[in-house]
Amino acid sequence: ELKVEQNPLFLSMQEGKNYTIYCNYSTTSDRLYWYRQDPGKSLESLFVLLSNGAVKQEGRLMASLDTKARLSTLHITAAVHDLSATYFCAVGGSQGNLIFGKGTKLSVKP
Amino acid sequence: SQTIHQWPATLVQPVGSPLSLECTVEGTSNPNLYWYRQAAGRGLQLLFYSVGIGQISSEVPQNLSASRPQDRQFILSSKKLLLSDSGFYLCAWSVGDILTDTQYFGPGTRLTVL
Repeated sequence: ELKVEQNPLFLSMQEGKNYTIYCNYSTTSDRLYWYRQDPGKSLESLFVLLSNGAVKQEGRLMASLDTKARLSTLHITAAVHDLSATYFCAVGGSQGNLIFGKGTKLSVKP
Repeated sequence: SQTIHQWPATLVQPVGSPLSLECTVEGTSNPNLYWYRQAAGRGLQLLFYSVGIGQISSEVPQNLSASRPQDRQFILSSKKLLLSDSGFYLCAWSVGDILTDTQYFGPGTRLTVL
């Protein structure tokens, strides 16, 4: 059974600081997704990682995938308040479904 | 460009009442469609997905059902709601390869069962 674990689940950080969110998964998969969810809102697609060593960057966020270690990271550089949200990683299952982690609630404070 | 709609946005229903949530996608043909539920303490859970009209796959046994009467319409139903059905219901779509394409989510329906 495919399981996805994110850590930390809650993260409070100051503006300007860097931090990394980790996503581990239990069985082989070659596709991993990162989503953002603002309170009371739907999920917004951030990154799709489809191969070992894939790295994607958008603004202050950078995501990477290591399929051998079954690990993806979402790195935040010089955080700003607008990045406050819950971030989910999701791993592709064999039937086209996505298995989501529990999410990391990020709060960026001035 | 593609757009996904869900309605209603918010719903409060008594236990034992029926349910019908609707999702429609515009701007694409033959999408893969998905229903997810996000409930407190249980994260995001895939309920159903469909690769075409009349084709429904269920991920978890429950008192919910799904139907796809038209190419770009996906409906989530229940004959009798339970308290545990409360949650945020999200419809999503993708096109092409169900195994690799990104899923895009609708605005969601917040259901409270009392």
